[in-house]
Amino acid sequence: DADVTQTPRNRITKTGKRIMLECSQTKGHDRMYWYRQDPGLGLRLIYYSFDVKDINKGEISDGYSVSRQAQAKFSLSLESAIPNQTALYFCATSDPGGPTGELFFGEGSRLTVL
Amino acid sequence: GDSVTQMEGPVTLSEEAFLTINCTYTATGYPSLFWYVQYPGEGLQLLLKATKADDKGSNKGFEATYRKETTSFHLEKGSVQVSDSAVYFCALSVDTGRRALTFGSGTRLQVQP
Repeated sequence: DADVTQTPRNRITKTGKRIMLECSQTKGHDRMYWYRQDPGLGLRLIYYSFDVKDINKGEISDGYSVSRQAQAKFSLSLESAIPNQTALYFCATSDPGGPTGELFFGEGSRLTVL
Repeated sequence: GDSVTQMEGPVTLSEEAFLTINCTYTATGYPSLFWYVQYPGEGLQLLLKATKADDKGSNKGFEATYRKETTSFHLEKGSVQVSDSAVYFCALSVDTGRRALTFGSGTRLQVQP
């Protein structure tokens, strides 16, 4: 089983719908991240969390919200999806005591907004 | 702000050819530099890293040297294999407190038999 699990892996939805992407991890890491990947733009940081009570905006947080339900769970929500939120979304974790920059990624959630 | 610029792909090579993927960066302070690889249908995984100037990161036959004078971290491999076909991302981190990375746009490598 993967250490960082994302659900759903694929989702097609319509404009205006609420969508939640879920991430769970078994690595025991405190730090969790949500990134968005678009062709030609690489990965951009949406939100990150250092622990259950510490949530921070990344560079492109508008239109998104997150919830850190437990150390192992970090969910990303789109309250009212729009077509330009069509992208591949990645959850990642890191260990604050581990090597700098080593993030562990899930396999991604592909979201299509029609 | 901090940024990473990579050469555009796709890069198409024959098996056993020499690979170079260029990466340059702009950053305040002294960043750590990374190469991540994304195989088809998978998430990203760390390939190699360098944390200070003149350091060389290496893994699986890939190498990259942290060049402060040219603000570069080019990825090289002497002899590519079909199994190296993937998307390669250069990334940097200057905010070690946040431990979040700034990624380049990615370069797709296609290796033909």
